[in-house]
Amino acid sequence: DAKTTQPNSMESNEEEPVHLPCNHSTISGTDYIHWYRQLPSQGPEYVIHGLTSNVNNRMASLAIAEDRKSSTLILHRATLRDAAVYYCILRDGVQGAQKLVFGQGTRLTINP
Amino acid sequence: DTGVSQNPRHKITKRGQNVTFRCDPISEHNRLYWYRQTLGQGPEFLTYFQNEAQLEKSRLLSDRFSAERPKGSFSTLEIQRTEQGDSAMYLCASSPSSGGIHNEQFFGPGTRLTVL
Repeated sequence: DAKTTQPNSMESNEEEPVHLPCNHSTISGTDYIHWYRQLPSQGPEYVIHGLTSNVNNRMASLAIAEDRKSSTLILHRATLRDAAVYYCILRDGVQGAQKLVFGQGTRLTINP
Repeated sequence: DTGVSQNPRHKITKRGQNVTFRCDPISEHNRLYWYRQTLGQGPEFLTYFQNEAQLEKSRLLSDRFSAERPKGSFSTLEIQRTEQGDSAMYLCASSPSSGGIHNEQFFGPGTRLTVL
């Protein structure tokens, strides 16, 4: 699986938007971009995934650069419950293994 | 809606003892995964089952580790002759098989193992 690079930590304020970046310069044409997050003392949970087009769901939006070498997870209005470690993961859509390959992720702190 | 459950939630053992963890996946999910997570790191894949068949094992899964899923439902992970380096959170996840890699994996709360 291709490698991703994320900042170790980010901080934001409650009710403000948060943009979490992920670099994946070696992404292949069949790699999908998945995001999971891990709340304190819990297992990871799925957030969103995409291939080329921007994606929206009830939790977040995923903005994918035109060259696909980077992406940004957007939390439109952060709450204290969004404080978590966010993981950006690439998964090959053709030959991909079932396992998730986690990096160290970005630890997001939300200030009240 | 019952999610993935894991038991016990915490286990403290002495070095050299054997331990066994149990994972009950979401009932209609036929894929089950085990991961290990040490402090400050992301989870690392250990092994994966589709129904009762163990389809992939990580090199992290030494011969002291064994996982089973005898009837394709719950799974157990056993560690024999525990070492202090085995101290970690052991996470179980499940997913349905339809939809390929895009099926989200649903994680349990984990079992925290401390080896003294």
